[in-house]
Amino acid sequence: GAVVSQHPSWVICKSGTSVKIECRSLDFQATTMFWYRQFPKQSLMLMATSNEGSKATYEQGVEKDKFLINHASLTLSTLTVTSAHPEDSSFYICSAVFAGTSGTDTQYFGPGTRLTVL
Amino acid sequence: GNSVTQMEGPVTLSEEAFLTINCTYTATGYPSLFWYVQYPGEGLQLLLKATKADDKGSNKGFEATYRKETTSFHLEKGSVQVSDSAVYFCALSGANSKLTFGKGITLSVRP
Repeated sequence: GAVVSQHPSWVICKSGTSVKIECRSLDFQATTMFWYRQFPKQSLMLMATSNEGSKATYEQGVEKDKFLINHASLTLSTLTVTSAHPEDSSFYICSAVFAGTSGTDTQYFGPGTRLTVL
Repeated sequence: GNSVTQMEGPVTLSEEAFLTINCTYTATGYPSLFWYVQYPGEGLQLLLKATKADDKGSNKGFEATYRKETTSFHLEKGSVQVSDSAVYFCALSGANSKLTFGKGITLSVRP
């Protein structure tokens, strides 16, 4: 149980184009999903919190107009990188919160999406 | 604010060696604690967790005990395998389910 998928697993695009990444919780509903960015050999950097039915909350320094997040349903959140540039090339990982008993929420992660902008 | 400190890496061990990866934390309240593992080119997988003091999380031969008195959550395994080679992240869960991660440590196990 608690499986999270991402699509696509990798994408190459030209500079100036937009790319959409999907994150799905396959066997549970998630009112909250998170989007992270990971640079080589580094830890995860939280970009934003995605809440179903409301606007995403972005971390300081993350451009909300560049990284559009939509949490359309309890099982789907999307991240759109608009007007992508080479510096946006990175590994993007999403997670979905599984609400356990006694308030013990656990984040389950997707397999990640490797974005390369040429 | 919350923070997680992991020991510096990388760590290289021979197969069947004993593993300890140190993790200490600073947090307000009573966070849940996690170990995640990341294999090359993949996302993070939950390895184990503990939700309150003195809880022991265990999975796949790995164990970690939530020590409130020392604010630690050290990861141990009695006999590592080559397949355990990966990056290990210690994390704590704070407000709004947000995770605070340590920097991660790379483990390489030699045959």
